[in-house]
Amino acid sequence: ETGVTQSPTHLIKTRGQQVTLRCSSQSGHNTVSWYQQALGQGPQFIFQYYREEENGRGNFPPRFSGLQFPNYSSELNVNALELDDSALYLCASSLGGYKQFFGPGTRLTVL
Amino acid sequence: SQQGEEDPQALSIQEGENATMNCSYKTSINNLQWYRQNSGRGLVHLILIRSNEREKHSGRLRVTLDTSKKSSSLLITASRAADTASYFCATDDNTGKLIFGQGTTLQVKP
Repeated sequence: ETGVTQSPTHLIKTRGQQVTLRCSSQSGHNTVSWYQQALGQGPQFIFQYYREEENGRGNFPPRFSGLQFPNYSSELNVNALELDDSALYLCASSLGGYKQFFGPGTRLTVL
Repeated sequence: SQQGEEDPQALSIQEGENATMNCSYKTSINNLQWYRQNSGRGLVHLILIRSNEREKHSGRLRVTLDTSKKSSSLLITASRAADTASYFCATDDNTGKLIFGQGTTLQVKP
């Protein structure tokens, strides 16, 4: 077990709505990264947070935003949901970014 | 966008056989990592090989890295039905941002 947890497990939303996904890091890890994995594809990097500051961002629009809290847990927020946002959202924690431990993911379906 | 390609996209073998998956990438890297994913769940870290290493072993896993060809291979020896999963390579350019390939789906038949 990696110790990284994510909630909720599954989520169904409609186009235009907003969603918040949550991630609890493995104990002692100060870095959290978020990835989007479309069906049949490899994960794509959304952004990374290190000690509550954004520390790198992938090719995702500003409606994808995040937060990291003092206890190093994290949130991913997506506004104005689109059908293409349907995917598995993975959170990974690490100490310094090398070996990343992934959570089980949140399956988001946008109708 | 994906870093590169994995080959083959799908692989089906019998239990006890060896499975080899290949990964190519495009840019300079600090390290390359292999992950396993069961049925669309979270990824499990298998092995990390640094850019100055050529080969690494972990149990039944053997990873090679050829930075001149920008390629890596993962060998699973004596495969088991429980090895059935998708396998991804991911490169890290020392920013902590992992760039994944498309993955290889491995089926091991009992």
